[in-house]
Amino acid sequence: DAGVIQSPRHEVTEMGQEVTLRCKPISGHNSLFWYRQTMMRGLELLIYFNNNVPIDDSGMPEDRFSAKMPNASFSTLKIQPSEPRDSAVYFCASRASTGGLEKLFFGSGTQLSVL
Amino acid sequence: AQSVTQPDIHITVSEGASLELRCNYSYGATPYLFWYVQSPGQGLQLLLKYFSGDTLVQGIKGFEAEFKRSQSSFNLRKPSVHWSDAAEYFCAVGAVTGRRALTFGSGTRLQVQP
Repeated sequence: DAGVIQSPRHEVTEMGQEVTLRCKPISGHNSLFWYRQTMMRGLELLIYFNNNVPIDDSGMPEDRFSAKMPNASFSTLKIQPSEPRDSAVYFCASRASTGGLEKLFFGSGTQLSVL
Repeated sequence: AQSVTQPDIHITVSEGASLELRCNYSYGATPYLFWYVQSPGQGLQLLLKYFSGDTLVQGIKGFEAEFKRSQSSFNLRKPSVHWSDAAEYFCAVGAVTGRRALTFGSGTRLQVQP
C-alpha cells in the first residue's frame, strides 16, 4: 500500500488566497484525521471523520477553515481566505475501524506558508 | 477533556547518555497513553503504548516508558542515546471510551551531540 498520500507537499501563497490541501487515506481505512503542527502549539487535531462523516470539528480554528470527505478515498481541507498565522505543517492520518486508537498512519504532511 | 503537557520544548544530550522526556496528562479516568517519534520531514511513528497492566512498557528502538498514576505522568526513557534518535517526540493520550481521536502534546525536540 502507498500509505496516506497528501498533496501538495509544499504550498506557498499570499494572504487572502484560497488554499486547498488534499489527502488520500489508506484503502480500507474508515477514519480520517486532519492535524496541524506549529512550533508554538505542537500537533493539534483540527477535525476527524468516521465513514466520511465529520465526528469532531471542535479543533477547527474558525470559519475560514472547512473540511470535506466526499468519499472514502479523498478528503480536503480548505482555508479561505488564508492568513499568515495559518502557516504550519498540516498532517492527514487514517485508521482502520478494527485498529486501536494508536494505529494511526500519517501522511508526510503539507508545509503551508502564507506570506 | 483530555490534555497532554510536555514541559520541555528542546533537550540536548550527548550520544551514549541516558534520556528522559517528560509527559504529564490530564484525564478523568485511566487513559490510553502513547509516545510517537517524528523524524525531519516525516509523519509520526508509534514508539510505544500503554493501555493497562504493567506500568513499565517497552517500545521500539530501545525506548521504554513508565506510567505513574499518582503523578499523572508517562515519561519516556532510553538508557543510551544514539545520534539517530535526534527527532521530535510527542506524547499522546486517548480516551478509553467515547472520542476516538488522540490528543497530542506540543512535542519535545531532541538534539544529540557527538
